[in-house]
Amino acid sequence: KQEVTQIPAALSVPEGENLVLNCSFTDSAIYNLQWFRQDPGKGLTSLLLIQSSQREQTSGRLNASLDKSSGRSTLYIAASQPGDSATYLCAVENTGGFKTIFGAGTRLFVKA
Amino acid sequence: GAGVSQSPSNKVTEKGKDVELRCDPISGHTALYWYRQRLGQGLEFLIYFQGNSAPDKSGLPSDRFSAERTGESVSTLTIQRTQQEDSAVYLCASSPDGRWKEQYFGPGTRLTVT
Repeated sequence: KQEVTQIPAALSVPEGENLVLNCSFTDSAIYNLQWFRQDPGKGLTSLLLIQSSQREQTSGRLNASLDKSSGRSTLYIAASQPGDSATYLCAVENTGGFKTIFGAGTRLFVKA
Repeated sequence: GAGVSQSPSNKVTEKGKDVELRCDPISGHTALYWYRQRLGQGLEFLIYFQGNSAPDKSGLPSDRFSAERTGESVSTLTIQRTQQEDSAVYLCASSPDGRWKEQYFGPGTRLTVT
């Protein structure tokens, strides 16, 4: 059974700091891994999608890596801004079915 | 273009009543997902539709939950004989091709069972 864990559960950093969010999964048989942000009371916004054959994806100040063999992904946020404050979720889509499994998320607060 | 829309945005119902939640995916998206997010918890996968293939219902928590989708259009999630533990935000997402493409989420329907 696939389990997705995100560490830390919460993080508070000063503006401008670079930071790393971690995601681990127990079953490496995945099609893809996706990072989302969720703002309070709102739906999810897709940030980056990494296919199982890829090792990383970049978008602006965000970089996500995937090490499928070790069951890990990281989301790197450069030069953090208060507008980055949100909950960040990672999710894996398993092979052998269509179920997407989400981690519990990391609540990020960037202080101005 | 228009994103994923869901209706209603909020629904309050009495225990034991049936509710129907609606999701309008992005036009042309063949894949559609339903998730549930209870207060303070992560997202739980409920069901997945891909084109005209048989849906993956493996996440539905009980036989009180059912969902339908006609072709690649609107989907409805029905909860019969609602219970208080059904209170949650129900999120719908669509994707151009499932697996290989990003999921785009709607704003969700907040269901409260009193």
